[in-house]
Amino acid sequence: GAGVSQSPSNKVTEKGKDVELRCDPISGHTALYWYRQSLGQGLEFLIYFQGNSAPDKSGLPSDRFSAERTGGSVSTLTIQRTQQEDSAVYLCASSFRDPSTDTQYFGPGTRLTVL
Amino acid sequence: SQQGEEDPQALSIQEGENATMNCSYKTSINNLQWYRQNSGRGLVHLILIRSNEREKHSGRLRVTLDTSKKSSSLLITASRAADTASYFCAGAGSYQLTFGKGTKLSVIP
Repeated sequence: GAGVSQSPSNKVTEKGKDVELRCDPISGHTALYWYRQSLGQGLEFLIYFQGNSAPDKSGLPSDRFSAERTGGSVSTLTIQRTQQEDSAVYLCASSFRDPSTDTQYFGPGTRLTVL
Repeated sequence: SQQGEEDPQALSIQEGENATMNCSYKTSINNLQWYRQNSGRGLVHLILIRSNEREKHSGRLRVTLDTSKKSSSLLITASRAADTASYFCAGAGSYQLTFGKGTKLSVIP
């Protein structure tokens, strides 16, 4: 089957606008993750879903960030009132079931540029 | 906070040589995973080694794990120009992966 897909691949927006990033996990994977990679930095964990529930939202940088997952499949990450420091590559990953033991497979990412 | 710290930060070798990258981590892990990233985009999973394993092989890749020293190494044998990329280790906790800043490998043809 197909891997993790993300859309859009690139997004340029103006400061203050809202953006939505989409992730389609591998079919049958119950666990889904969002990470952020800023220029020259490592990957920063944002949020984890098991099914439609997010047990841990503590990685979200501010209350402008939110995420949801519906039908145990597609997830959207929403950033409201974008700031220039939000510019980064946003990566989504999914794993089969157990996040502590299963491999996480990553999508190609969405490159967000806030002008 | 970042768990994995890769060493060296950058490595340049000739094609055909072996490349060794090291990684240290701070807290206990369930497993440690190595990823490759080309041009700052998607991460490609290379290998997963569980906390009760000491060594694992996959093709030209060899990974070791020393939980007493909280360290891991990735060896790429007979390197190719196509191996040029950034390599990250990531410690798996309860659900999240905690990544280091990566080693940038350049393989010169």
